Amino acid sequence: EVQLVESGGGLVQPGGSLKLSCGASGFTFSNYYMAWVRQAPKKGLEWVATINTSGRRTFYPDSVKGRFTISRENAESSLFLQMNSLKSEDTATYYCATRGQPGDYFDYWGQGVMVTVSS
Amino acid sequence: DTTVTQSPASLSMAVGEKVNISCKTSTDIDDDMNWYQQKSGEAPKLLISEVNTLRPGVPSRFSSSGYGTDFVFSINNVLLGDEGIYYCQQSDNVPYTFGAGTKLELK
Repeated sequence: EVQLVESGGGLVQPGGSLKLSCGASGFTFSNYYMAWVRQAPKKGLEWVATINTSGRRTFYPDSVKGRFTISRENAESSLFLQMNSLKSEDTATYYCATRGQPGDYFDYWGQGVMVTVSS
Repeated sequence: DTTVTQSPASLSMAVGEKVNISCKTSTDIDDDMNWYQQKSGEAPKLLISEVNTLRPGVPSRFSSSGYGTDFVFSINNVLLGDEGIYYCQQSDNVPYTFGAGTKLELK
């Protein structure tokens, strides 16, 4: 059974940094592109980042490009999201997800982790 | 960027009725439209990928159609357990974008 478990969320001040982690199990992690998707409170879904299997290629929307960095450690079946220069509009539940094979949809999702950016 | 316009924003249906949700995209995305269900307090769940591929374990009451810029998601014989918010998502080009969601309530 595919399991994705996010951690590392919490309260951070505007301009601060936070690093999210996602532990994966139940599938061959190194064979899958991975992604982060977020959802602001009572709002819709927003794609945040995608990383290829080796970790050498990453993709971001303009809203987080230059501030967020997605990375992975295949040996540990772990995915990360380093978030810098955080803004209030980054407040959201962040979900770790597997990218589809072969399409760019989001197949399996974690339970999510809350990030609150506030002074 | 491809804008995804989803309608209606909400639906109130009776058990057994048919649900139709529309998504229109601002650019031609071929068949790269996906559909998700999110129940209250849960993570989204992929139901259908690339227009018409039903994910494993998803009942055949769920279906979708469309190509290019116009897409429709349907639920035949809607059940109480189908309550939630449904989202479409285009996977044709970066940034991948979602519709605003359709909240489905059962009477």
